Amino acid sequence: SQTIHQWPATLVQPVGSPLSLECTVEGTSNPNLYWYRQAAGRGLQLLFYSVGIGQISSEVPQNLSASRPQDRQFILSSKKLLLSDSGFYLCAWTYPGHRLYTFGSGTRLTVV
Amino acid sequence: AQTVTQSQPEMSVQEAETVTLSCTYDTSESDYYLFWYKQPPSRQMILVIRQEAYKQQNATENRFSVNFQKAAKSFSLKISDSQLGDAAMYFCANNAGNMLTFGGGTRLMVKP
Repeated sequence: SQTIHQWPATLVQPVGSPLSLECTVEGTSNPNLYWYRQAAGRGLQLLFYSVGIGQISSEVPQNLSASRPQDRQFILSSKKLLLSDSGFYLCAWTYPGHRLYTFGSGTRLTVV
Repeated sequence: AQTVTQSQPEMSVQEAETVTLSCTYDTSESDYYLFWYKQPPSRQMILVIRQEAYKQQNATENRFSVNFQKAAKSFSLKISDSQLGDAAMYFCANNAGNMLTFGGGTRLMVKP
């Protein structure tokens, strides 16, 4: 069966520090991968998605970047965090052409 | 571009009663799917129900059903016999191509 892992669960980082959030999927190959951000009490905003290794589409210009170094690994990064980067970050995957999305358990990021 | 709008930030229902959550969407795609997701306090995203746009019949999953009005681009969720465990944030979402776009969410409170 397929599973999605996302870590860390909670992170507190100072302004100006770097960020690296990791998401991995097991039990499948060539998944579509997604990073979403959810501000407090708000909906989910799509940040990045990837349909293959090294292929990244950005939906929102911002202080963040994403990379897909391996087929089932998706990384969200920042060189210098801003206060506005605080939020809940969710990773998701789906089979290409399928319409069932599975979400990770999320990372709560607080920038102080 | 796709948009999803949930006009009810909060809804309240008495236990065992029925409640309807509203959602409207806009898309230029002809092939798309619509979803309702539940997000409990754990913030895990749980798929409640899914509707294929090409199907005229409204989807049903136990106590959950939808009213899909394609011409009006409306996709409401009806929860029958509401239970305390139904209390959560509910998100409407639209998938076309590789994109899954969410509405802002409706917080559902269930009164005992």
